Amino acid sequence: DAKTTQPPSMDCAEGRAANLPCNHSTISGNEYVYWYRQIHSQGPQYIIHGLKNNETNEMASLIITEDRKSSTLILPHATLRDTAVYYCIARSNTGNQFYFGTGTSLTVIP
Amino acid sequence: DGGITQSPKYLFRKEGQNVTLSCEQNLNHDAMYWYRQDPGQGLRLIYYSQIVNDFQKGDIAEGYSVSREKKESFPLTVTSAQKNPTAFYLCASSIGTRVYGNTIYFGEGSWLTVV
Repeated sequence: DAKTTQPPSMDCAEGRAANLPCNHSTISGNEYVYWYRQIHSQGPQYIIHGLKNNETNEMASLIITEDRKSSTLILPHATLRDTAVYYCIARSNTGNQFYFGTGTSLTVIP
Repeated sequence: DGGITQSPKYLFRKEGQNVTLSCEQNLNHDAMYWYRQDPGQGLRLIYYSQIVNDFQKGDIAEGYSVSREKKESFPLTVTSAQKNPTAFYLCASSIGTRVYGNTIYFGEGSWLTVV
């Protein structure tokens, strides 16, 4: 599974879009990009995942560059409840686990 | 509600004692996992199971044991051999470990403190 790199922390104003970057320059063709978030003392929550195309659901949008070497998770209108650690993971179907790094700690500011 | 239930949420253990953390899922998932998380750190895999009566060691299996007698249950025993057991333990499940594009879902976690 490809290694991912994320900034350790970010701030975002409440009501604004939060754009969380992830670098996965060694990603291979069969590896999906997954995003999870973890609020303190809770289990990680699945947000979204994608392979090549941009994806959108009720929580967020995932933008994957054409060369697939990086991606951005977009929370369109950040709220205080979006304050959490966000993990970006690249995983293939041959992997037996999901590797969670230290993620990005997002703080939404009132 | 469908999901993954971990119990207890908080557990205190005396040194030298074994303790078992419960994990039950009603998602009909074949694969189940146990992760450990230390403060400010990412998740590390302890054990995983792809199917009933089968399980594999993860990256930090020493001092832990598991069983998978039923599809919906995957208990984790933290033995006295685990030198630093104080941590946050997370159970998870997925349809299968090798299903293309499958998603892993987590329970709410259990805090274990050795006193």
